[in-house]
Amino acid sequence: GAGVSQSPSNKVTEKGKDVELRCDPISGHTALYWYRQSLGQGLEFLIYFQGNSAPDKSGLPSDRFSAERTGGSVSTLTIQRTQQEDSAVYLCASSFYNQPQHFGDGTRLSIL
Amino acid sequence: KQEVTQIPAALSVPEGENLVLNCSFTDSAIYNLQWFRQDPGKGLTSLLLIQSSQREQTSGRLNASLDKSSGRSTLYIAASQPGDSATYLCAVVGGAGNMLTFGGGTRLMVKP
Repeated sequence: GAGVSQSPSNKVTEKGKDVELRCDPISGHTALYWYRQSLGQGLEFLIYFQGNSAPDKSGLPSDRFSAERTGGSVSTLTIQRTQQEDSAVYLCASSFYNQPQHFGDGTRLSIL
Repeated sequence: KQEVTQIPAALSVPEGENLVLNCSFTDSAIYNLQWFRQDPGKGLTSLLLIQSSQREQTSGRLNASLDKSSGRSTLYIAASQPGDSATYLCAVVGGAGNMLTFGGGTRLMVKP
């Protein structure tokens, strides 16, 4: 497809487990962003990749969160030792440099 | 730190009404402002983007204005329809990178 693809669409896991969320950006887009949408905090920026530059990790809430982007395309957001407060919808977006961002449908993460 | 506020948080109107959604931001040093629409369980769809040098943008029944000096934007929806029911999010880009800072959204319901 032509849009941003995220998988899985839903993930339920037990507290303490690690999870990996995947994002396939639009082909040719140079920038990739992760955001988190939760009931209490609204929509928050997590991390930003632009080309081969070092990522901007300023929005990551704790060191349990990490992300990588391989080959300048697919990105994986990893949450280690999940906690209940990590329950949220994780949204990925991509853009061509500083052009408008295109969003995926998100991964709904539920921590039991 | 940039803060974005949207008023009202929720709005219910009968079909056919014209309506205005409000967005305010605390730091006027922005590059652009975007209005998004989010349907339940879906990602964000960009509606309008206003560059910092612009005053307004129009698309169909939607018109967005920007007053950067006062830190305000409005989204005007003409002749509302039930299909307009969704959450509308305002977001600004400012500073290094292209990260979006979001408001809390306005949940709109248009009744037939």
